[in-house]
Amino acid sequence: SQTIHQWPATLVQPVGSPLSLECTVEGTSNPNLYWYRQAAGRGLQLLFYSVGIGQISSEVPQNLSASRPQDRQFILSSKKLLLSDSGFYLCAWVDRGSEKLFFGSGTQLSVL
Amino acid sequence: GIQVEQSPPDLILQEGANSTLRCNFSDSVNNLQWFHQNPWGQLINLFYIPSGTKQNGRLSATTVATERYSLLYISSSQTTDSGVYFCAAALRYSGGGADGLTFGKGTHLIIQP
Repeated sequence: SQTIHQWPATLVQPVGSPLSLECTVEGTSNPNLYWYRQAAGRGLQLLFYSVGIGQISSEVPQNLSASRPQDRQFILSSKKLLLSDSGFYLCAWVDRGSEKLFFGSGTQLSVL
Repeated sequence: GIQVEQSPPDLILQEGANSTLRCNFSDSVNNLQWFHQNPWGQLINLFYIPSGTKQNGRLSATTVATERYSLLYISSSQTTDSGVYFCAAALRYSGGGADGLTFGKGTHLIIQP
């Protein structure tokens, strides 16, 4: 069966420090992968999506970047974090058979 | 882009009660999904339902695409049903496509014992 792993679960970083969040999917090949952010409150905002290795599309301009170095690996990065980057970051993938979107367990990022 | 609105924003019920959550969307969609976010933040996919009706245990969902709304029914609520329920929709989206889902702001459901 397919599973998605995301780490770390929580992260506290100072302003100006770099960021690297990693997500991997198991049990499937060539998945569509997504990074979402959920600010305090509720709404989920799509940040990046990828349909294949090295193919990244950005939905909103921001201080973050994404990379897909391997088929089932998706990385969210920043060179210098801002206070406004705080939030709950979620990696997700689409199961092409069911068309359903499945989420990882998320990373709570606090930038202080 | 597509607009997704959910109602009510908050709902407090007693255990055993039934509830109906609504999702309105601004345009024709071919992808509509419901999610439950538990108090620990985990998002669980409940339904993929661009049209028609589906049921899974005490939960069921109906989407009337021509009238641009979807409903999530929860029967005989339990405290474990508490959390935030999200509706998400997309206009051009498929397992092989690249357009992401637009999420509503959610309905925060509290089930009291």
